[in-house]
Amino acid sequence: SQTIHQWPATLVQPVGSPLSLECTVEGTSNPNLYWYRQAAGRGLQLLFYSVGIGQISSEVPQNLSASRPQDRQFILSSKKLLLSDSGFYLCAWSSGGGRETQYFGPGTRLLVL
Amino acid sequence: SQQGEEDPQALSIQEGENATMNCSYKTSINNLQWYRQNSGRGLVHLILIRSNEREKHSGRLRVTLDTSKKSSSLLITASRAADTASYFCATDAAGSNYKLTFGKGTLLTVNP
Repeated sequence: SQTIHQWPATLVQPVGSPLSLECTVEGTSNPNLYWYRQAAGRGLQLLFYSVGIGQISSEVPQNLSASRPQDRQFILSSKKLLLSDSGFYLCAWSSGGGRETQYFGPGTRLLVL
Repeated sequence: SQQGEEDPQALSIQEGENATMNCSYKTSINNLQWYRQNSGRGLVHLILIRSNEREKHSGRLRVTLDTSKKSSSLLITASRAADTASYFCATDAAGSNYKLTFGKGTLLTVNP
């Protein structure tokens, strides 16, 4: 069966510090991978998606970046965090051309102070 | 812009009652999905309905889709306290490729 992992679960970082969030998927190959951000009481905002190794599409201009160094690994990064980067970050995967169900990880809660 | 918009934003009912949540969207879709999110957790897929389907059932869930009105509804029958969660609709817009667009969700509270 497929599983998706995210870490860390929670993170408190000062403004201006770097960020690295990791997401890995097990039990499937060549998944589509997604990073979302969810502000408190809001819906999900798609940040990045990837259909293959090294292929990253950005949805929203910002100070975040994503990388996919391996087939089942998706990393969200920032060189300098802003207060507005606080939120709940969710990684998800899908197969079948991306039009079917997305499976979500447990999320990382980031607080930038 | 938000493709899917759920209504109401919040809903509070008693155990045993039915809960109905609605979703409206703006553009043509390939399919529409409903997801559930418990507080502080990831989303869990509930049901997918394709653009050529009008109604779908899964256990206590019933989803309808009206493409002429660009709207969908999620009905949870005989609700339980464990159904307390946020519910999101997500649309796969025609021509979007690989992406779902989520609404802001309906927060359902089922009181025991």
